[in-house]
Amino acid sequence: GQNIDQPTEMTATEGAIVQINCTYQTSGFNGLFWYQQHAGEAPTFLSYNVLDGLEEKGRFSSFLSRSKGYSYLLLKELQMKDSASYLCAVELTALIFGKGTTLSVSS
Amino acid sequence: NAGVMQNPRHLVRRRGQEARLRCSPMKGHSHVYWYRQLPEEGLKFMVYLQKENIIDESGMPKERFSAEFPKEGPSILRIQQVVRGDSAAYFCASSPPARYYGYTFGSGTRLTVV
Repeated sequence: GQNIDQPTEMTATEGAIVQINCTYQTSGFNGLFWYQQHAGEAPTFLSYNVLDGLEEKGRFSSFLSRSKGYSYLLLKELQMKDSASYLCAVELTALIFGKGTTLSVSS
Repeated sequence: NAGVMQNPRHLVRRRGQEARLRCSPMKGHSHVYWYRQLPEEGLKFMVYLQKENIIDESGMPKERFSAEFPKEGPSILRIQQVVRGDSAAYFCASSPPARYYGYTFGSGTRLTVV
């Protein structure tokens, strides 16, 4: 199986930078995705990495190192609305998700 | 430009009844995926379908659960003889053939078995 590990919970304050790590034990995947999910809502796409390196999209960046089995999502200039769960997923025939990291942003 | 449409949003069934969950993919998307989410847990992959074909059902329980994506109409996830442990949120996602454009999720069906 694919073990995808993320911290269960993280806390941060408005305006700060937070890094959410994701480690996995699988190989041969097509790419790595990050999704955001607010409580009771659908997951929404944040980023996709297929090659090693950093992908930047506004306040969000995602990094992938296939050799280290490691990815992270970087959120800058945190806002209260960023309080949500962040889901890391590897793409095999479909997306296989970790359990997600619940981020709480306080003022 | 409708997104992925799931219905019903909420479904209550008594133990032993059948539950039918529907998913209409985004226009232009031919790939459909079903996921189950229990409280405080991540999304667990169940099945991946293309029109009239099941591509990967490795996450689907062997009994009581089935899925289809007919040539016409929505994809259906069917749960027969529901039990309390089937209570969960069921999400459907769709993607175009070039999947790096991202998978789009529907708002989910919350199934409660009483």
